[in-house]
Amino acid sequence: ELKVEQNPLFLSMQEGKNYTIYCNYSTTSDRLYWYRQDPGKSLESLFVLLSNGAVKQEGRLMASLDTKARLSTLHITAAVHDLSATYFCAGSYSGTYKYIFGTGTRLKVLA
Amino acid sequence: NAGVTQTPKFRILKIGQSMTLQCTQDMNHNYMYWYRQDPGMGLKLIYYSVGAGITDKGEVPNGYNVSRSTTEDFPLRLELAAPSQTSVYFCASRSRTEQGARRTEAFFGQGTRLTVV
Repeated sequence: ELKVEQNPLFLSMQEGKNYTIYCNYSTTSDRLYWYRQDPGKSLESLFVLLSNGAVKQEGRLMASLDTKARLSTLHITAAVHDLSATYFCAGSYSGTYKYIFGTGTRLKVLA
Repeated sequence: NAGVTQTPKFRILKIGQSMTLQCTQDMNHNYMYWYRQDPGMGLKLIYYSVGAGITDKGEVPNGYNVSRSTTEDFPLRLELAAPSQTSVYFCASRSRTEQGARRTEAFFGQGTRLTVV
């Protein structure tokens, strides 16, 4: 059964700093997703990573996937307050159509 | 484009009561999902469906039932509500078409915040 773990669970960082959120998964996952959730809101899709070595970038966020290490990272460059949210990674494997979510990383960017 | 619509947005239930959480999507998606999110936690899969008439259990199905009579609707039924079912419930859907990565992402509704007292 696929298990997905994220760390850290909480992250408080200063504006302008860089940081990385890590997502480990337990078995083969054929795709990896990153979502953002603002307090009291729904989930918004950020990235879909399909293959080993995949890298996607949107603004100050960059996601990558290493299927051999079973690791995905979400890198934040020069953080701004608007990036404060909870970030989830989720894995899925073909044939099941299920998404298994990590516990989330609650990010707070301090001015 | 409405996307995934959930009703109600908020509900308070007494222990032992029953209710149905409604979910409908207008994107003609085959796959639909119900998740629950406990405070400060991730999402746990309750049930999912790969098409009308087909449903399957997820990680935490006990105390819930689902049905999928149409492509658009995927209601979640709570029988004999318990305090442990206090949570935020999210419905999601995705397309079966796998051409291009974006088509495999799930789209989420706004959630139903349920309190059982």
